[in-house]
Amino acid sequence: AQSVTQPDIHITVSEGASLELRCNYSYGATPYLFWYVQSPGQGLQLLLKYFSGDTLVQGIKGFEAEFKRSQSSFNLRKPSVHWSDAAEYFCAVGLRTGYSSASKIIFGSGTRLSIRP
Amino acid sequence: GAVVSQHPSWVICKSGTSVKIECRSLDFQATTMFWYRQFPKQSLMLMATSNEGSKATYEQGVEKDKFLINHASLTLSTLTVTSAHPEDSSFYICSAREGISNQPQHFGDGTRLSIL
Repeated sequence: AQSVTQPDIHITVSEGASLELRCNYSYGATPYLFWYVQSPGQGLQLLLKYFSGDTLVQGIKGFEAEFKRSQSSFNLRKPSVHWSDAAEYFCAVGLRTGYSSASKIIFGSGTRLSIRP
Repeated sequence: GAVVSQHPSWVICKSGTSVKIECRSLDFQATTMFWYRQFPKQSLMLMATSNEGSKATYEQGVEKDKFLINHASLTLSTLTVTSAHPEDSSFYICSAREGISNQPQHFGDGTRLSIL
């Protein structure tokens, strides 16, 4: 069965420090992969996506993620975090129903990021 | 671009009433819309997928008679929680996707439903 695992429930980093949020997936084929960010009481904003090609994906707000097929991982990174990055981060896998199409998305349980001043 | 508007953002109502939540794609045509439910400090759980002009496809365990979904146009989908009870209180989020390609889903800001 398809699944997405975010092993870290809550992470606290100092402002200006680097960040890595972990994500592992289980899927029988090459997945579509996404990272979303959610601020309290709001919807989700897409940070970046991976469909194919270059395994290092650049996103908005200075985030990047690397797809590693051998490890079934898609970890999110940022070299220097800002206080405004405090939020909930969701990794997600899009299930393919055909060539170049994604049907539904399965979300991980989320990682809450806190920033230490 | 790719803005999804969800209305209302917050609703409080008495037990037994029905509540309608609207999801609109403002600057694109949404062939497919999705409805999610999110409990506090938890992830999003997909409730149903709707394609314009077709009946919604509900996930296992979601009561289709309880959660009525209508996707009558390419820019509007509605979720009606019928005869709502306190256990239906939750954060409901819609998303919309343009076409059936590998486009990502764009999310609304959610609706917090509180049933007294």
